[in-house]
Amino acid sequence: DIVMTQSPDSLAVSLGERATINCKSSQSVLYSSNNKNYLAWYQQKPGQPPKLLIDWASTRGSGVPDRFSGSGSGTDFTLTISSLQAEDVAVYYCQQYFGTPGWTFGQGTKVEI
Amino acid sequence: QVQLVESGGGVVQPGGSLRLSCAASGFIFNSYGMHWVRQAPGKGLDWVSFIRFDGTNYYYADSVKGRFTISRDNSRNTLYLQMNSLRAEDTAVYFCAKAMTAVTTSTSFDYWGQGTLVTVSS
Repeated sequence: DIVMTQSPDSLAVSLGERATINCKSSQSVLYSSNNKNYLAWYQQKPGQPPKLLIDWASTRGSGVPDRFSGSGSGTDFTLTISSLQAEDVAVYYCQQYFGTPGWTFGQGTKVEI
Repeated sequence: QVQLVESGGGVVQPGGSLRLSCAASGFIFNSYGMHWVRQAPGKGLDWVSFIRFDGTNYYYADSVKGRFTISRDNSRNTLYLQMNSLRAEDTAVYFCAKAMTAVTTSTSFDYWGQGTLVTVSS
């Protein structure tokens, strides 16, 4: 299985400041035939299920604010929250869907104010 | 709108069984693969099982292979997870999740249910 490793495990960011979360996969999740990275980001607020934020490494989901952006390719990816809002306090997970069957998640990154 | 509602969780003794259900609405259920994902208390997300849109193919995490069985009833728009030989380490919230696209397994999960808690304890 592809192992996903996030860093840091947690971070505290002031309101309005930038938050950056990294995700590294143990092997490339870039499919050369279509040049797509099979990488998603999810947000999980306390007591709620995960919510899809971004897939294909950089495509925002429906209704996701544009302060959330995803970047990277191959094995190294980043989720950036450009201006942290109070409602962004959550745990964020990356996930690969390249090596299926065997969808794997990172361990999560907790974002606090 | 898409809704996924899990049920069937509870407290069970080690070695016991439970059957989880996930009632789906708001989309064409028989066109999409479905997943079960679990989350142990205070821990991260752990994929458990997947079933193809037509139920003809399915996959399991190694940790549950041979003990859990995924199935679906497309006439009832319902996904199931039969869990046998339960262990303490199976204690978790179990979420059902919808595959984003219909035609491939290589897809993200675009909708999730609220989850149902399974506690394995004597």
